[in-house]
Amino acid sequence: GEDVEQSLFLSVREGDSSVINCTYTDSSSTYLYWYKQEPGAGLQLLTYIFSNMDMKQDQRLTVLLNKKDKHLSLRIADTQTGDSAIYFCAEGTSGGSYIPTFGRGTSLIVHP
Amino acid sequence: EPEVTQTPSHQVTQMGQEVILRCVPISNHLYFYWYRQILGQKVEFLVSFYNNEISEKSEIFDDQFSVERPDGSNFTLKIRSTKLEDSAMYFCASSPAGRRNEQFFGPGTRLTVL
Repeated sequence: GEDVEQSLFLSVREGDSSVINCTYTDSSSTYLYWYKQEPGAGLQLLTYIFSNMDMKQDQRLTVLLNKKDKHLSLRIADTQTGDSAIYFCAEGTSGGSYIPTFGRGTSLIVHP
Repeated sequence: EPEVTQTPSHQVTQMGQEVILRCVPISNHLYFYWYRQILGQKVEFLVSFYNNEISEKSEIFDDQFSVERPDGSNFTLKIRSTKLEDSAMYFCASSPAGRRNEQFFGPGTRLTVL
């Protein structure tokens, strides 16, 4: 079945860039997602990329997709303490359901 | 900005009891979902609901689970006879017509089964 893997923790200094990596196994994935979960809150869809794209940029966020290696990354420029959260990678297909398969989440800790 | 809401935020119940978890999806959304996350594990899909019926369900969603949209605003998940292993965070989500890949999640209900 589909599987999505990501590292559990990332610690960065405020102002630096953060890069959160993810790998997935389903070659038929149509959408690759990044969700953010702040303490006590639900999952917030940050951004997603279609599988026929290599890159998507949205303000401080840059998503890179290497479809050959099934590798997805999320880069956060100028990381702020408010970016501290759990970031979930997910993949989904358009073959009817669009149900995302989630990774375990990466805890991003931003310290001053 | 409209958001998905869930009640209660925390539910404690005894094993064998029935619980109902409630969700109010975003008002103009047509697709509704339940997910769960057992502590330390991945977020897992349970069920999706569209046009007043289940459109897809996972292996987890067995006969002890049911969903209902009792009125125009609420979407509920019922667990008939809770087990210890049902302890988890349960998330409701909804998505609009034409953008099923964009799911908006609620804050979750933490269910603790004793």
